[in-house]
Amino acid sequence: GNSVTQMEGPVTLSEEAFLTINCTYTATGYPSLFWYVQYPGEGLQLLLKATKADDKGSNKGFEATYRKETTSFHLEKGSVQVSDSAVYFCALSTGPWGAQKLVFGQGTRLTINP
Amino acid sequence: DSGVTQTPKHLITATGQRVTLRCSPRSGDLSVYWYQQSLDQGLQFLIQYYNGEERAKGNILERFSAQQFPDLHSELNLSSLELGDSALYFCASSAPLAGGAFQETQYFGPGTRLLVL
Repeated sequence: GNSVTQMEGPVTLSEEAFLTINCTYTATGYPSLFWYVQYPGEGLQLLLKATKADDKGSNKGFEATYRKETTSFHLEKGSVQVSDSAVYFCALSTGPWGAQKLVFGQGTRLTINP
Repeated sequence: DSGVTQTPKHLITATGQRVTLRCSPRSGDLSVYWYQQSLDQGLQFLIQYYNGEERAKGNILERFSAQQFPDLHSELNLSSLELGDSALYFCASSAPLAGGAFQETQYFGPGTRLLVL
């Protein structure tokens, strides 16, 4: 079935460090891919998305490229801030037309120290 | 703020009881989704409605049911509650497209935290 695997957390970095959170997926067809972020005590917010191979999603300095050949959608940021501390979820959209749902990875907790 | 609202924010109840969680989608969105977030299972899709009609079902227990009303708000009913039902329940919505389709991007509410004692 369709699934998403994220790198194990937690991840702890210093401010201004480079961030990579790995995400790989298994899916039939060509799903859309998403990164959502959950700040402490809040709901999920869409961070970025990509709908087809080689698309790059970007937002707030974060980027991820849809790689069909490696079935990956790794999240990167060049210089993280303390305010980026949150849980990050990779997800794919799956299902027949008119009945799509999101399948999430297990989430990666990121802590940025000043 | 995503525009999706959920009430209540917190709910504490006892085993065997029944609760109702409420969700209002973003203005104009016809699709509503329910997800459960727990420590052991992660984020799991429960059920989806589109304009009042059930469209997709995930790992939703028989003790759970949902519906979407004509004003498009949705309710998730959880009955015969067990300790393991303690979780964060999210509602999400997505915008309609022509021809009865809808966008894949989902916008999430702040969630209802359920604690079963």
